[in-house]
Amino acid sequence: GAGVSQTPSNKVTEKGKYVELRCDPISGHTALYWYRQSLGQGPEFLIYFQGTGAADDSGLPNDRFFAVRPEGSVSTLKIQRTERGDSAVYLCASTTGTGKNEQFFGPGTRLTVL
Amino acid sequence: SQKIEQNSEALNIQEGKTATLTCNYTNYSPAYLQWYRQDPGRGPVFLLLIRENEKEKRKERLKVTFDTTLKQSLFHITASQPADSATYLCALSLSGSARQLTFGSGTQLTVLP
Repeated sequence: GAGVSQTPSNKVTEKGKYVELRCDPISGHTALYWYRQSLGQGPEFLIYFQGTGAADDSGLPNDRFFAVRPEGSVSTLKIQRTERGDSAVYLCASTTGTGKNEQFFGPGTRLTVL
Repeated sequence: SQKIEQNSEALNIQEGKTATLTCNYTNYSPAYLQWYRQDPGRGPVFLLLIRENEKEKRKERLKVTFDTTLKQSLFHITASQPADSATYLCALSLSGSARQLTFGSGTQLTVLP
């Protein structure tokens, strides 16, 4: 079966622009996570969805970051007024939702803010 | 403050030897700990999970130990192969949390033929 997919694989934008990153989780997975990974670092938690609702958004760095999952499947991470410091790989992961299982990660979107 | 530390330097070993990677944490009481493998340009891939009440877990050539007194996990790859070369990440999940994972920065392992 298909794994977690993310689009685009690469995104280059200019400082101040708005970007949207998309995640398609594994079919049937109710839990979805967004992480951000900087070079040489491990993934850093951003937000967690259980179904359609954001169960924990404590990792979002500021109010320029927002994520939605309107139908409980596909999720979009939205970044307003991008800054150079937002440049990183944004990873999406999904699980069956019981919480203690492995997380299945997508390949990530590499965001570069010029 | 809470901290997770993995081997701070890249680890090079000879093919056939056992690789041992370390994950130390402070100021956490994790419910369980996971190890992931990450190849360049790819997302992490799950390898093993060990719970707080388990001492050791094995899967094929992989072994993980978890010592909650020392606040340390060791990850072993026996009979290492060049194909095992990758970055290995440990990740903690806290009891009662939203099940988010808190990752270490990873250890880059190179197995030399």
